[in-house]
Amino acid sequence: DTGVSQDPRHKITKRGQNVTFRCDPISEHNRLYWYRQTLGQGPEFLTYFQNEAQLEKSRLLSDRFSAERPKGSFSTLEIQRTEQGDSAMYLCASSSPPGQGGYTFGSGTRLTVV
Amino acid sequence: AQTVTQSQPEMSVQEAETVTLSCTYDTSESDYYLFWYKQPPSRQMILVIRQEAYKQQNATENRFSVNFQKAAKSFSLKISDSQLGDAAMYFCACAAYNQGGKLIFGQGTELSVKP
Repeated sequence: DTGVSQDPRHKITKRGQNVTFRCDPISEHNRLYWYRQTLGQGPEFLTYFQNEAQLEKSRLLSDRFSAERPKGSFSTLEIQRTEQGDSAMYLCASSSPPGQGGYTFGSGTRLTVV
Repeated sequence: AQTVTQSQPEMSVQEAETVTLSCTYDTSESDYYLFWYKQPPSRQMILVIRQEAYKQQNATENRFSVNFQKAAKSFSLKISDSQLGDAAMYFCACAAYNQGGKLIFGQGTELSVKP
C-alpha cells in the first residue's frame, strides 16, 4: 500500500455540471471519511463509512451530494448540479477503528466551479 | 457535539527557537483522541503527534511535544529547535470513539519560521 490516493487531483467544472471524485483507502482500513476544506479553514466532516455502510452524514452534505463505498473498498463522492459554493478541497482519509491506529489522508481533490 | 478552538491564526518563530501553538477543545465523551496535523502548501495533511485522552503522560515525537491538560481541555503543541521546514498550517483535531471516530478540526494556526 502506498497510502490513500484520490483522483483527480484537480477538477474545473462549469456550474450546473455533475462531478465525481474517487478515493482509494489503505486496504486494511475499514473506515473511510470525506472532508471538505475551504481556503484558510480547517477540514469539515462530510460523511464516513465503515466497510460498505455509510454510518453518518453531516448536515453539510446536501441532497446534491452522494457518497458510496461499494464492497467496502474505494469510495466515490458525487456532486450534482455544482454551485460556485462547492469550490473547495475534498479530502479523503482512512483509518482502523479508533484506538488501533491513526488516520491517513489523501492529497485531496481541488474542485473549482466556474 | 465536539468543538476545537485554535485562538492563534498566525504565529512566527525564529529558526532554532521554540514555539507553542494553543488548542482548546470541548467534548462530553470520555474516550477520545487528540491530534496535531501539519498541512504544508501542498495541502497533504501530515500527522505530527497523537494523544490518547486516557493517558496522563504527554506525547512526544522528536522535536514535537504536547502539553495535555485534561481538566482544562487544553492541548498545546510545542515545537523545539524550529526548522524552516516546519513552516505550515497546523491543525488541532479531536476524535471520539463513540462519534464514529470522525475528526473535528480547529481553524488552524499558520506558522512561519524566520531564518
